[in-house]
Amino acid sequence: HLQLQESGPGLVKPSETLSLTCTVSGGSINHENYYWSWIRQPPGKGLEWIGSTYYTGSTYHNPALKSRVTISGDTAKNQFSLKLSSVTAADTAVYYCARYELTVEVAATGGFDYWGQGTLVTVSS
Amino acid sequence: DIQMTQSPSSLSASVGDRVTITCRASQGIDIYLNWYQQKPGKAPKLLIYAASSLQSGVPSRFSGSGSGTDFTLTISSLQPEDFATYYCQQSFSTPMYTFGQGTKLDVK
Repeated sequence: HLQLQESGPGLVKPSETLSLTCTVSGGSINHENYYWSWIRQPPGKGLEWIGSTYYTGSTYHNPALKSRVTISGDTAKNQFSLKLSSVTAADTAVYYCARYELTVEVAATGGFDYWGQGTLVTVSS
Repeated sequence: DIQMTQSPSSLSASVGDRVTITCRASQGIDIYLNWYQQKPGKAPKLLIYAASSLQSGVPSRFSGSGSGTDFTLTISSLQPEDFATYYCQQSFSTPMYTFGQGTKLDVK
């Protein structure tokens, strides 16, 4: 059974860099059918896709976050990570890591089928 | 960017009701549309993928339909555990994803 677990500081100062790691157990991140992603949810608001990494090492991020996002994968540790630089109070949110399944049997697309429990990161001095 | 717009933003209903939530894409996305359910303090749960395919373990009272720009999520007979917030999400532009703003379903 696949499990994802976020870890990292729960409090980050403004202008600093938020760093989170997602540890995957019960399956490998080194697989062509999945994107490994970060999604966040500000308190009381909706879901925002932050970015994803693929087993090839390719990474993608939400253009709205400009160049503040760095996502990387570590196949040896079966982890992937998020760095968000120059944070402000607007970056306060629950951060989730999740797996996106590209195809399911004959279906054209899968979805975010496994999620971590989420971790609240507060940006405050 | 592909924008996703859900309606209504909130909805009140009773146990046993048939409920429909709509999601509209800003451009055609074929059937690259997924639906999620989120309860307070929990991670979202995948309900429907590829517009109409039921995720394993999800009750059959949930169904999805649509293609192109207009999609619906239907709950045929609302159960107490279905009161939650529902999100649509497009994957046409994989691996760049967009969620709708959510529809909160509460008790009438």
